[in-house]
Amino acid sequence: DTEVTQTPKHLVMGMTNKKSLKCEQHMGHRAMYWYKQKAKKPPELMFVYSYEKLSINESVPSRFSPECPNSSLLNLHLHALQPEDSALYLCASSHPGTSTYEQFFGPGTRLTVL
Amino acid sequence: DAKTTQPPSMDCAEGRAANLPCNHSTISGNEYVYWYRQIHSQGPQYIIHGLKNNETNEMASLIITEDRKSSTLILPHATLRDTAVYYCIAAGNDNYGQNFVFGPGTRLSVLP
Repeated sequence: DTEVTQTPKHLVMGMTNKKSLKCEQHMGHRAMYWYKQKAKKPPELMFVYSYEKLSINESVPSRFSPECPNSSLLNLHLHALQPEDSALYLCASSHPGTSTYEQFFGPGTRLTVL
Repeated sequence: DAKTTQPPSMDCAEGRAANLPCNHSTISGNEYVYWYRQIHSQGPQYIIHGLKNNETNEMASLIITEDRKSSTLILPHATLRDTAVYYCIAAGNDNYGQNFVFGPGTRLSVLP
């Protein structure tokens, strides 16, 4: 199974809502990533988890809260978002510590904040 | 991680080879060159990566210059389905993971 799955595919939420994005992989990867991609822009790294510990936080606002409950799952909890947070949120996974392997990306969750 | 620069757009005739250049003049010794592509609103798709030797797989070939400051991705027989944004990334991988920095990429249009 060489797939990263993300749910939901689309999400519309108001600025006062709390929602979560979910990412799952069963490739035995111990590094998982969240990226944000605005329209017509490249993906931007938000968070990296390595061995279930947060290893990189690219100065992301606290209204985005990542969680890695186990080695296969990665969540992104959303609270009090702003309309400018509307974007495609991508999850990826890889083997940490070796460059002989690539990152695998999921299809993304398209988020709209009203 | 090293930054990369790529031309913003390129055209290629269907059936011809598409050669996409990338400059990574600040790449360090332990950083690999990765190529991904992204078709509209989908997740980035891995194409190929390499350290210093040329690499080939079923999708493409990667030619890295001897000084490792630049590389070229070659799609040998481009099809309309190869129309996408192509990203070149230079990154290492330690136990904290891979810090991919995506540049603006090259928008490749394959023309019939």
